[in-house]
Amino acid sequence: AQSVTQLDSQVPVFEEAPVELRCNYSSSVSVYLFWYVQYPNQGLQLLLKYLSGSTLVKGINGFEAEFNKSQTSFHLRKPSVHISDTAEYFCAFYGQNFVFGPGTRLSVLP
Amino acid sequence: DVKVTQSSRYLVKRTGEKVFLECVQDMDHENMFWYRQDPGLGLRLIYFSYDVKMKEKGDIPEGYSVSREKKERFSLILESASTNQTSMYLCASSQALYNEQFFGPGTRLTVL
Repeated sequence: AQSVTQLDSQVPVFEEAPVELRCNYSSSVSVYLFWYVQYPNQGLQLLLKYLSGSTLVKGINGFEAEFNKSQTSFHLRKPSVHISDTAEYFCAFYGQNFVFGPGTRLSVLP
Repeated sequence: DVKVTQSSRYLVKRTGEKVFLECVQDMDHENMFWYRQDPGLGLRLIYFSYDVKMKEKGDIPEGYSVSREKKERFSLILESASTNQTSMYLCASSQALYNEQFFGPGTRLTVL
């Protein structure tokens, strides 16, 4: 069975601190990986994606993620967060079908 | 700018009513999806469509049906709304099934 685990449901962090949001997946086939962000009362928008090539992927708003095939992980990082990064973040992958994780709520504190 | 629009941002209906949620995309995408989003559960796929008049059940199709008469439009129908269908409903589209999905702003449905 395919699944996505986001180990932290909530992550509070102070402004300008670094952050890592963790994502692990389970699939018997090769996958394409995605991170989406959802701001309050809005739909999801794509932050970044890994289809092939370099395992370090850079996205919008200064976010990046690294695909680790041996650990089946795709953790999202940002070296210095802003108040405006407060949102819910979803990890997703496509293997045999699209699967979304349960989400991590990032709260950036002043 | 690419766009997926949903007919309502907020909707309040009574138990037993028939409810229509409409979604339109302007990207000429082949695939369209309906999800419901509940706290702690992430997004769960209700139905998707890979072509006009074609549909596939997702993970939670019970109590829902869909219609895709035109490529750009995908409708979600609640035949007889129940209180456990109170949720946020998100529509999305993509060119290929493995491609990124583009999402609409969502419809927050409350069934009383």
